[in-house]
Amino acid sequence: EAGVTQSPTHLIKTRGQQATLRCSPISGHTSVYWYQQALGLGLQFLLWYDEGEERNRGNFPPRFSGRQFPNYSSELNVNALELEDSALYLCASSLVASGGAGEQYFGPGTRLTVT
Amino acid sequence: GDSVTQMEGPVTLSEEAFLTINCTYTATGYPSLFWYVQYPGEGLQLLLKATKADDKGSNKGFEATYRKETTSFHLEKGSVQVSDSAVYFCALLGGYGQNFVFGPGTRLSVLP
Repeated sequence: EAGVTQSPTHLIKTRGQQATLRCSPISGHTSVYWYQQALGLGLQFLLWYDEGEERNRGNFPPRFSGRQFPNYSSELNVNALELEDSALYLCASSLVASGGAGEQYFGPGTRLTVT
Repeated sequence: GDSVTQMEGPVTLSEEAFLTINCTYTATGYPSLFWYVQYPGEGLQLLLKATKADDKGSNKGFEATYRKETTSFHLEKGSVQVSDSAVYFCALLGGYGQNFVFGPGTRLSVLP
């Protein structure tokens, strides 16, 4: 069974440009989560989509947005890029949106560098 | 709101030493608890999980027991290897499945 996939692996943009990151969940998973992992350890929650709807949003400005497609894949868009947006962006998928264990399965991430 | 607290790192151990990484949580309802591991340059992998009080999750020699009375889920391994060097994240799924929360992570370095 294929795991969560993300593309591209690396992305280099200049300040002010827009970046689009893509994620395909594990087959059958309906929930997709996006996290930002800047230099250091912590994961900062960005967005949660389930069944095509945005269910929750972390403490990020509106220039971070996304969507989930009918096939449950997802896209994260970052507009007006700033240097501090440079980070590893991780996508995770989950089968359960409520109840049960609900563990998340992570993709390898997209490394975004803003120059 | 729900939260997870982990011991500060980095943790540096010699090979074959005993490992404990402390994790405590605050949550409403009855959360599920997880440990994830992130090896250098990779995404996060689920290491183990526990869904109810007194459950013990185990994998690759690592264990953690869900202690409701102390709201803890400490990670242990009896004999660490150099290959265990990674960042370890404690996490919970609480709020009746609506809220996935990660701790800040603990970096472990195992020296030969």
